[in-house]
Amino acid sequence: EVQLLESGGGLVQPGGSLRLSCAASGFTFSSYAMSWVRQAPGKGLQWVSAISGLGGSTYYADSVKGRFTISRDNSKNTLYLQMNSLRAEDTAVYYCAKGGGCSSASCQYSFDYWGQGMLVTVSS
Amino acid sequence: QTVVTQEPALSVSPGGTVTLTCGLSSGSVSTRYYPSWYQQTPGQAPRTLIYSTNTRSSGVPDRFSGSMFGNKAALTITGAQADDESDYYCVLYMGNGIVVFGGGTKLTVL
Repeated sequence: EVQLLESGGGLVQPGGSLRLSCAASGFTFSSYAMSWVRQAPGKGLQWVSAISGLGGSTYYADSVKGRFTISRDNSKNTLYLQMNSLRAEDTAVYYCAKGGGCSSASCQYSFDYWGQGMLVTVSS
Repeated sequence: QTVVTQEPALSVSPGGTVTLTCGLSSGSVSTRYYPSWYQQTPGQAPRTLIYSTNTRSSGVPDRFSGSMFGNKAALTITGAQADDESDYYCVLYMGNGIVVFGGGTKLTVL
């Protein structure tokens, strides 16, 4: 059974930093691209970032480029999102999702499994 | 910047059929955008319904179907049920690793 378990969310002040983690199980982690998707309170879903299976390629939405860094540790089956220079508008539930890009074997331009979501609140 | 467009809200009667669409503010959607569809109820993570235009995700009932409808991608729900009342999002792959969500459609079953 595929499971994605996010951790690391919470309250942070504007300008601060936070690192989200997503522990994956139930599939060959390194064989799949992984993504982060967020949802601000009362708003729709927004793609944030994606990383290829081996981590060699990363992609970002314009709204987070230069502030957020996606990475992965395939030895630990874990996906990360380092968020710096946080702003109030980054307040959202952050979801880890399997897919959204390419691995060495194939491309999956959709998301097939989702974590439960992790709330990040940026406020003073 | 290209925007992915969806109907903000739709309604359907129980047992009825409804089609949700996914377009582009500039240009036409084709299968090379690999359209996918997600269902979300309040407080829950999204659930994947359709990927690559018309492939149902595992466990998704066959009353959900994906297709191309003119210059848009479409999600059709046939025989709508009360628990289909949800928000529905489409996603398009824009190339160069970039994925964009539509604004979502709030579906009411009444």
